[in-house]
Amino acid sequence: KAGVTQTPRYLIKTRGQQVTLSCSPISGHRSVSWYQQTPGQGLQFLFEYFSETQRNKGNFPGRFSGRQFSNSRSEMNVSTLELGDSALYLCASSLGQYQGELFFGEGSRLTVL
Amino acid sequence: AQSVTQPDIHITVSEGASLELRCNYSYGATPYLFWYVQSPGQGLQLLLKYFSGDTLVQGIKGFEAEFKRSQSSFNLRKPSVHWSDAAEYFCAVGSYNAGNMLTFGGGTRLMVKP
Repeated sequence: KAGVTQTPRYLIKTRGQQVTLSCSPISGHRSVSWYQQTPGQGLQFLFEYFSETQRNKGNFPGRFSGRQFSNSRSEMNVSTLELGDSALYLCASSLGQYQGELFFGEGSRLTVL
Repeated sequence: AQSVTQPDIHITVSEGASLELRCNYSYGATPYLFWYVQSPGQGLQLLLKYFSGDTLVQGIKGFEAEFKRSQSSFNLRKPSVHWSDAAEYFCAVGSYNAGNMLTFGGGTRLMVKP
């Protein structure tokens, strides 16, 4: 069974640009969550989608947004990039909405110059 | 608000020695508790979880953790560490009401001496 797939794995952007990250969950998983990992702030929850609806949102500015498609694949977008957005963005999938057992992808490492 | 504290940022143990990683949480209701491991350049892998019931839970790779409500702790243990256990370990707390939104601790980086 294929795991959680995130693309791209690495990317470099400049301040002010926008970026879109993609996540394909494990087949059959309907919940997708996104986390930001930085050395200073650690792992922080961004948002969770279930059946194409955002169910929870973390404490991030509106520049961070996401969506989920009918096949459960998810994308997150960051607009007007700032240097502080440099991070590893991790996607996790779960069978249902209240499982708590998350299966993580290897992440997309974003560097903002 | 819920929070998780992992007091030890770095721990070094000798191969074959026992290991205990500490985790303290703050949460008003009954928490769901997790331990995840992250190897360099990798995502997180679930080691074990506690939802309810028996307070001593067994996980993969020979790890176990004990939920102590009175101490708000969920410490991870392994009787004999292998060199391949070197990684970063994260404790996390969630709840039924929070869906799949987890609050993670800052992590403990484990180094294993030969």
